[in-house]
Amino acid sequence: LAKTTQPISMDSYEGQEVNITCSHNNIATNDYITWYQQFPSQGPRFIIQGYKTKVTNEVASLFIPADRKSSTLSLPRVSLSDTAVYYCLVGVHNQAGTALIFGKGTTLSVSS
Amino acid sequence: GAVVSQHPSRVICKSGTSVKIECRSLDFQATTMFWYRQFPKQSLMLMATSNEGSKATYEQGVEKDKFLINHASLTLSTLTVTSAHPEDSSFYICSARDYRRGTSGDQETQYFGPGTRLLVL
Repeated sequence: LAKTTQPISMDSYEGQEVNITCSHNNIATNDYITWYQQFPSQGPRFIIQGYKTKVTNEVASLFIPADRKSSTLSLPRVSLSDTAVYYCLVGVHNQAGTALIFGKGTTLSVSS
Repeated sequence: GAVVSQHPSRVICKSGTSVKIECRSLDFQATTMFWYRQFPKQSLMLMATSNEGSKATYEQGVEKDKFLINHASLTLSTLTVTSAHPEDSSFYICSARDYRRGTSGDQETQYFGPGTRLLVL
């Protein structure tokens, strides 16, 4: 399974755009990139998933360059409630199912 | 997104007793579910992979006789912590794999339950 590297922590203010970059140099051809958000004492919440280029949903955007060795989660106009730990994971899609191995994640702190 | 539930959300038990935690996929079928454990201020640690109708696969260092996993249906997996001890106190989280075949490719997403806080006295 590909190993991911993210910044341990990031600070931001309300209303700013936050970009969290994740490195996954050993990503395999059939690996997808998935980001999760976790609040204290809660299970991780799915944010966004992508394979290449750009993916956007109602809460975030995911940018993946052509070599796929990194990805950037973009959170537009963060609020205090976006303070959480964000995990970047890569995993293969096949019928056997592969567990996601969590790294340390990025602790995002949003201040007013 | 798909919903995964866990029950109970919190449990306190005496040392030596067994505790069962249920994980359910509410609006999709999951042939594969995963169990994780998370200690304070740490990341999630994978304990085992649970496949419907077959034996679970445990990660290195996880005792299969202590953490019994049963995945009897496509929507339910259970984790039983047998003869629990204080060091088993932790936050247990399950996830369920939502796998779909599409015209533009396979889509797989793992959805996590809300977690179960176990405290062994």
